Amino acid sequence: GAVVSQHPSRVICKSGTSVKIECRSLDFQATTMFWYRQFPKQSLMLMATSNEGSKATYEQGVEKDKFLINHASLTLSTLTVTSAHPEDSSFYICSAVQGQETQYFGPGTRLLVL
Amino acid sequence: GENVEQHPSTLSVQEGDSAVIKCTYSDSASNYFPWYKQELGKGPQLIIDIRSNVGEKKDQRIAVTLNKTAKHFSLHITETQPEDSAVYFCAASLPRNTGNQFYFGTGTSLTVIP
Repeated sequence: GAVVSQHPSRVICKSGTSVKIECRSLDFQATTMFWYRQFPKQSLMLMATSNEGSKATYEQGVEKDKFLINHASLTLSTLTVTSAHPEDSSFYICSAVQGQETQYFGPGTRLLVL
Repeated sequence: GENVEQHPSTLSVQEGDSAVIKCTYSDSASNYFPWYKQELGKGPQLIIDIRSNVGEKKDQRIAVTLNKTAKHFSLHITETQPEDSAVYFCAASLPRNTGNQFYFGTGTSLTVIP
């Protein structure tokens, strides 16, 4: 199957700092990428839909100024957690859509805010 | 919108036995149904998918069946092995003007006992 990478795989930061997570589709172009957040033993919670060249669409309850998403090219989307706080600690997963519907996930980024 | 329900939430089977996970969806317009396997600390991995014009699909020990009339689809794993232990998520994809929207089940934690 197609490969999606995420970087970094884990990050520890101090409260108040910003953290950028990169999501890349390595062997295909993705017009659409999704960003999810996952709490322990729970399902995937969609945060936003990222379309190349346009503004991201955020789900209800997700602060767009807190979670900045940029989809500058067909192979790269970034999520920046601004002014991170301990409650932002979580597992963040991106996915990229190949063609119209096949969604491939990245390996995830574990964020710990101290 | 779409609502996807998944059962059971946990499942334990003896090695070599079969495992079945069932999902239902509510919107008859959903036309694509992927299944993902997520191991601890990793991103979900696409293991099999089925489109609405097909009733069954098989890939070695894994099979998926779809009943469009009843709006349910199931994952079947035969001859289970300990490495099949993971959390499995079903999903339904609903076409939208802005692109396909994915709706995930709540996950099934499968344990294969050696």
